[in-house]
Amino acid sequence: AQSVAQPEDQVNVAEGNPLTVKCTYSVSGNPYLFWYVQYPNRGLQFLLKYITGDNLVKGSYGFEAEFNKSQTSFHLKKPSALVSDSALYFCAVRANSGAGSYQLTFGKGTKLSVIP
Amino acid sequence: NAGVMQNPRHLVRRRGQEARLRCSPMKGHSHVYWYRQLPEEGLKFMVYLQKENIIDESGMPKERFSAEFPKEGPSILRIQQVVRGDSAAYFCASSPVPTHKGYYGYTFGSGTRLTVV
Repeated sequence: AQSVAQPEDQVNVAEGNPLTVKCTYSVSGNPYLFWYVQYPNRGLQFLLKYITGDNLVKGSYGFEAEFNKSQTSFHLKKPSALVSDSALYFCAVRANSGAGSYQLTFGKGTKLSVIP
Repeated sequence: NAGVMQNPRHLVRRRGQEARLRCSPMKGHSHVYWYRQLPEEGLKFMVYLQKENIIDESGMPKERFSAEFPKEGPSILRIQQVVRGDSAAYFCASSPVPTHKGYYGYTFGSGTRLTVV
């Protein structure tokens, strides 16, 4: 079975400071990893994905994430936080092959608050 | 090029009523996935459908829940005799080909927020 852990329910960061939202995963085989953002009463917006290749993935709105296979982590980062980044962030994983590999497994989410 | 369209955006039902949630996939997409987001939780997989075919419903509750994706028209998630615990956000996603055959992700709709009173 695959799983995702987002160890922090909430992350607070001052505007302009770097931010990190943590994610670790467990999956059989090689993972496909995703970050989504959800604004209040809205759907999920895709931020970025890791499929293969370079461990540092760049995505929308200046976000990036680093895939670390040995630590089974895929932390989301941004060099300089904006107040508008305040939202709920979800990490998700799926296996790249096998039965049920179309299923995305999500973490519980991390609420990011950027303080002006 | 419209994205995944879900309606209604908000749905209020009394206990015991039926809820019908609709999802129109992106143009050209023939694979639909339903997820449920309970309060303070991440999204949980419910069901994967192709047109006229249920591929995997392992995440669906055994009773009261059903899903279909007819040849024509939107995919429907139907909840009979709703209870308070069904209150959640229900998201639909679509993809052009099965995601386990090389398409890496899918596009989510804005969701239907069901409130059972």
